[in-house]
Amino acid sequence: QKEVEQDPGPLSVPEGAIVSLNCTYSNSAFQYFMWYRQYSRKGPELLMYTYSSGNKEDGRFTAQVDKSSKYISLFIRDSQPSDSATYLCAMSLMDSNYQLIWGAGTKLIIKP
Amino acid sequence: SAVISQKPSRDICQRGTSLTIQCQVDSQVTMMFWYRQQPGQSLTLIATANQGSEATYESGFVIDKFPISRPNLTFSTLTVSNMSPEDSSIYLCSVRPGLAGDEQYFGPGTRLTVT
Repeated sequence: QKEVEQDPGPLSVPEGAIVSLNCTYSNSAFQYFMWYRQYSRKGPELLMYTYSSGNKEDGRFTAQVDKSSKYISLFIRDSQPSDSATYLCAMSLMDSNYQLIWGAGTKLIIKP
Repeated sequence: SAVISQKPSRDICQRGTSLTIQCQVDSQVTMMFWYRQQPGQSLTLIATANQGSEATYESGFVIDKFPISRPNLTFSTLTVSNMSPEDSSIYLCSVRPGLAGDEQYFGPGTRLTVT
């Protein structure tokens, strides 16, 4: 079993829909949670970063962390074709260990 | 945040040759990392580049194959040596400007094809 599980998709939704992207993890010691967006042939771009349970909102994006269920989500409201990309979750421990543990990435397609 | 540039952005190389990838950051950072991403896959950490000391390599990656330099707090290079087609991948430089566990940023990547 991988430490971080993420459905690779592809996930195809119509423009304007609410998108829900999810990751589950097995290590309850993870404390930092990140969502990255990666367009084709580009490097990953940090979208959201959180280290506590609950919701964090930034514009159309909401990151949700449920540490009791070991589950994180990224919600995208009013999805746009420009949101079409691969979304990767990543997480790390709260110590000097620098290593990010990555999900497989979910390919998202927003249909006009 | 941090702005990261990489050179070259892409290259096609012959088997058996070496390529050096440069990573430049717009601010001084302590922690700098090199990743590999194969097509359709997630990211794999190659090594952590520490200024003033030897790089720390992850399991499956060795210094002879992927030598790394880190001469100062804004620059690093990764060399892919004696390349084979299996080395065809995207190579990404990444930095963590703050402390461990803090936000981490990525460069645009170098797309390498080995023929």
